[in-house]
Amino acid sequence: EVQLVESGGGLVQPGGSLRLSCAASGFTFSSYDMHWVRQATGKGLEWVSAIGTAGDTYYPGSVKGRFTISRENAKNSLYLQMNSLRAGDTAVYYCARGVLDNSLDYWGQGTLVTVSS
Amino acid sequence: DIQLTQSPSFLSASVGDRVTITCRASQGISSYLAWYQQKPGKAPKLLIYAASTLQSGVPSRFSGSGSGTEFTLTISSLQPEDFATYYCQQLNSYLYTFGQGTKLEIK
Repeated sequence: EVQLVESGGGLVQPGGSLRLSCAASGFTFSSYDMHWVRQATGKGLEWVSAIGTAGDTYYPGSVKGRFTISRENAKNSLYLQMNSLRAGDTAVYYCARGVLDNSLDYWGQGTLVTVSS
Repeated sequence: DIQLTQSPSFLSASVGDRVTITCRASQGISSYLAWYQQKPGKAPKLLIYAASTLQSGVPSRFSGSGSGTEFTLTISSLQPEDFATYYCQQLNSYLYTFGQGTKLEIK
């Protein structure tokens, strides 16, 4: 059974940093692109980052230069290092598995990040 | 960046109704579009990929169509468990934008 379990969320002050983790199981992690998607309370989905099987990374302008996605295939783990956090980064962060056409077929339960003083 | 606009943003319907949600892209994306269903407090669930291919395990009352810039998600006969928010997502470029969502409510 495919499982994705996020962790590392919490309360952080503006300008601070946080590292999210996503533990994957039930599939060959190294063979799949992986993504982070976030959702502010009551708002829609926002794609945050992706990492390919070769380690290539992609970001939208809203987080580029502040967020870094990485993976550790030996540990079946995905990470999101978030720096220079802003109130607007407050959201539930989901990790998700990307398939052939880059649709996201499995999602974790999400971890809440709150940026507030 | 490619923008996706869903319509309507809110939809009120009854069990048994046929409903259609539209997703328009600001530029052509071939068939690189997915649809997701999200219920309150839950992660999104993939329904349709490649614009019209039903994800495994998804009921056949869901269908997708379109290519280029205009896409539709159709639910042929609404069931109580279908009341949720639906999102489209473009997968054509490495900026995987989502539509703003369509909330489907019980009339």
